[in-house]
Amino acid sequence: EAGVTQSPTHLIKTRGQQATLRCSPISGHTSVYWYQQALGLGLQFLLWYDEGEERNRGNFPPRFSGRQFPNYSSELNVNALELEDSALYLCASSFPGGRRNTEAFFGQGTRLTVV
Amino acid sequence: AQTVTQSQPEMSVQEAETVTLSCTYDTSESDYYLFWYKQPPSRQMILVIRQEAYKQQNATENRFSVNFQKAAKSFSLKISDSQLGDAAMYFCAWVPNAGGTSYGKLTFGQGTILTVHP
Repeated sequence: EAGVTQSPTHLIKTRGQQATLRCSPISGHTSVYWYQQALGLGLQFLLWYDEGEERNRGNFPPRFSGRQFPNYSSELNVNALELEDSALYLCASSFPGGRRNTEAFFGQGTRLTVV
Repeated sequence: AQTVTQSQPEMSVQEAETVTLSCTYDTSESDYYLFWYKQPPSRQMILVIRQEAYKQQNATENRFSVNFQKAAKSFSLKISDSQLGDAAMYFCAWVPNAGGTSYGKLTFGQGTILTVHP
């Protein structure tokens, strides 16, 4: 069974540009989560999508946005890129909330570098 | 606000020895899950072990075990018979078990880099 897949692996953008990161969840998982892992800051929760809807977002500006498609895959868009957006962006998926004994499975991340 | 604190930025251990990684958390919730995730250089986060707060028994997965002290809000990870492949960044994480809670909306600690010496 395929795990969580993310693309691209690496992405280099110029300040002010837009970046689009993609994530495909594990089959059967309807929830997708995005995290930012910046150097020295640990993992910070960005966004949670479930059944096509944004369920929650972390403390990030509106230029971080995304969507979830009918097949439960997801895109993270970062507009007006700033140098401090350079980070590893991790996607995770899980069964929807309310089920016990479940866990989030992570992809290998997209390394975004803003120059 | 819920917080998770890992006070050891770096730890090292000799191969075949035992090492303990510390984690404390702060929450007013009574029912929650705690996790230890491993992030090797490949960057993929791998779940090492999970503890349910309503279970008093400490979780164990092969060479990995936890010491869960709910009253003290402490959740340490013990790695026995350390192997070179255990070298990675280890993250402690917390999620509440309220109705409708998403188990993927985790609060992470800052991580501990574990080095294993041959």
